[in-house]
Amino acid sequence: DADVTQTPRNRITKTGKRIMLECSQTKGHDRMYWYRQDPGLGLRLIYYSFDVKDINKGEISDGYSVSRQAQAKFSLSLESAIPNQTALYFCATSDTGIDGGELFFGEGSRLTVL
Amino acid sequence: AQTVTQSQPEMSVQEAETVTLSCTYDTSESDYYLFWYKQPPSRQMILVIRQEAYKQQNATENRFSVNFQKAAKSFSLKISDSQLGDAAMYFCAYRGNTGGFKTIFGAGTRLFVKA
Repeated sequence: DADVTQTPRNRITKTGKRIMLECSQTKGHDRMYWYRQDPGLGLRLIYYSFDVKDINKGEISDGYSVSRQAQAKFSLSLESAIPNQTALYFCATSDTGIDGGELFFGEGSRLTVL
Repeated sequence: AQTVTQSQPEMSVQEAETVTLSCTYDTSESDYYLFWYKQPPSRQMILVIRQEAYKQQNATENRFSVNFQKAAKSFSLKISDSQLGDAAMYFCAYRGNTGGFKTIFGAGTRLFVKA
């Protein structure tokens, strides 16, 4: 089984619908992140969390919210999806050790908003 | 704010040849980490190589090596003896030690490997 698991892997939805992307990890890492990937823009940080009580906005948090339900679970919500939120979304984790903060990624959730 | 720039949207290389992917970054920090991540068609992101800024020696991982020029803020990736499996999107990334320890990514370079 993957160390970082995202569900769903693919989702098509309509404008205005509420969508939740879920992430769970078995790596035991405290730090979890949500990134969005768009062609030509690379990965951009949406939200990050350093523990259950610590949630921080990234560079593109507008239109998104997150919940850290447990150390191992970090979900991303789009309260009212819009077409420009069509993208590939990645959850990632990192340790606080001396590895420089290497990110461990899930397999991505491709979201299409019609 | 820190930025990462990859100026080559696409590159191609002949199998068994060598290719270099470019990356520049901007920061006012003196201590940080730099990474190259690979994203194959499966879309799973995996770490290729990392470099600690306070280490002058360039990092090497098998066929992958970097040319780290701290003063020039340049961090290029060299792939030697290219293989078909190297075809992927490559992202350069920066992680500083301030500002929440966030990792910032470049736009990526798509590498094609010709048989």
